[in-house]
Amino acid sequence: GAGVSQSPSNKVTEKGKDVELRCDPISGHTALYWYRQSLGQGLEFLIYFQGNSAPDKSGLPSDRFSAERTGGSVSTLTIQRTQQEDSAVYLCASSLDRGVAGGREQFFGPGTRLTVL
Amino acid sequence: GESVGLHLPTLSVQEGDNSIINCAYSNSASDYFIWYKQESGKGPQFIIDIRSNMDKRQGQRVTVLLNKTVKHLSLQIAATQPGDSAVYFCAENFSSGSARQLTFGSGTQLTVLP
Repeated sequence: GAGVSQSPSNKVTEKGKDVELRCDPISGHTALYWYRQSLGQGLEFLIYFQGNSAPDKSGLPSDRFSAERTGGSVSTLTIQRTQQEDSAVYLCASSLDRGVAGGREQFFGPGTRLTVL
Repeated sequence: GESVGLHLPTLSVQEGDNSIINCAYSNSASDYFIWYKQESGKGPQFIIDIRSNMDKRQGQRVTVLLNKTVKHLSLQIAATQPGDSAVYFCAENFSSGSARQLTFGSGTQLTVLP
């Protein structure tokens, strides 16, 4: 497809369970980002992948959160032992990320709405 | 009408009027700014961007103004339409170092009244 896709679109889980959220970035985009958006709030940065460089994990709220990006393309965000405060929309974005040369515009997927009961 | 970022998170305008949405950004070193539009149930959608070496940039019905002196960004929407109803976020980025993530404002809800 032409845009960023995410799956599932909705996920309901019980407290304490692990969840995996998937992101398929735009083909050719080297940068991939995960954000969290709580109801009525702005976007909270979680993690950033750029090419083969070590990811910037500075936004991950706890060690229960982790993410991988395989083959420089698809990414999976994993939340272990989910808590009710993890309920939010998780957004993925990708960009060409050419730094000062341009391409910093991020293209967002539709998000995964996570509800922890 | 005019909204000032965090203090007035909602803005209502009559259809056909012009809208002005304001944003105060935090980092004086930021050199790239974006406005995003987010409709209910969807991810943010790029509207327009501007680099710090510019004061103004125009797109289709939208204009972004940048005032670096007071770290202020605004989005002007001409002839506002019902389809413009959404939450609008400003975002800032600086190119130095390894940081590439955008820092987003909290958003302004724009409602277009018939």
